[in-house]
Amino acid sequence: SQQGEEDPQALSIQEGENATMNCSYKTSINNLQWYRQNSGRGLVHLILIRSNEREKHSGRLRVTLDTSKKSSSLLITASRAADTASYFCASTGGGNKLTFGTGTQLKVEL
Amino acid sequence: DAGVIQSPRHEVTEMGQEVTLRCKPISGHNSLFWYRQTMMRGLELLIYFNNNVPIDDSGMPEDRFSAKMPNASFSTLKIQPSEPRDSAVYFCASTVGQGGQPQHFGDGTRLSIL
Repeated sequence: SQQGEEDPQALSIQEGENATMNCSYKTSINNLQWYRQNSGRGLVHLILIRSNEREKHSGRLRVTLDTSKKSSSLLITASRAADTASYFCASTGGGNKLTFGTGTQLKVEL
Repeated sequence: DAGVIQSPRHEVTEMGQEVTLRCKPISGHNSLFWYRQTMMRGLELLIYFNNNVPIDDSGMPEDRFSAKMPNASFSTLKIQPSEPRDSAVYFCASTVGQGGQPQHFGDGTRLSIL
């Protein structure tokens, strides 16, 4: 079963708007990662944030991590139609095993 | 550079048949993972290998499922006999090192058991 929960389950926005997705996890972590999945394709790694970091940026992506609340958020700024995909968080407590969240389906409309 | 390669991309077969899914990880990666994705259960880790040795197979549903990694460049996931509830998309992923490094996924095998 999935340990992480994400909300919202689905999000529909207009191109140019920002999209924010949230993720909660249940156990202590070494790092938390975000992945994107386009329809019919495999997951693609976007960004990794370590447990001792609070915020990280990569291009139009901004990730925050609050270990006291066991939560993370992914912000995509100035969204584009090409950002339409499902987004998953994944946490690891050690070793190589990742536990994936349930995912957020993002639709960016023109 | 070639990514993770999975074959076949699609497989449709009848209940009771043996199904073999194949994966070629990225060269140099020493960890390989098999996942199953369904609408109901999301993305589940079935098994993972490190340096060709199975490390955690606690996610393998039952004895009908088996996985092997005979060498660093090839792995198989076998279902025998297959059942309709095995219908899902099966992903293979690979990574290098330890400590929860980013994983590189193949495009999956969409399996339909009739």
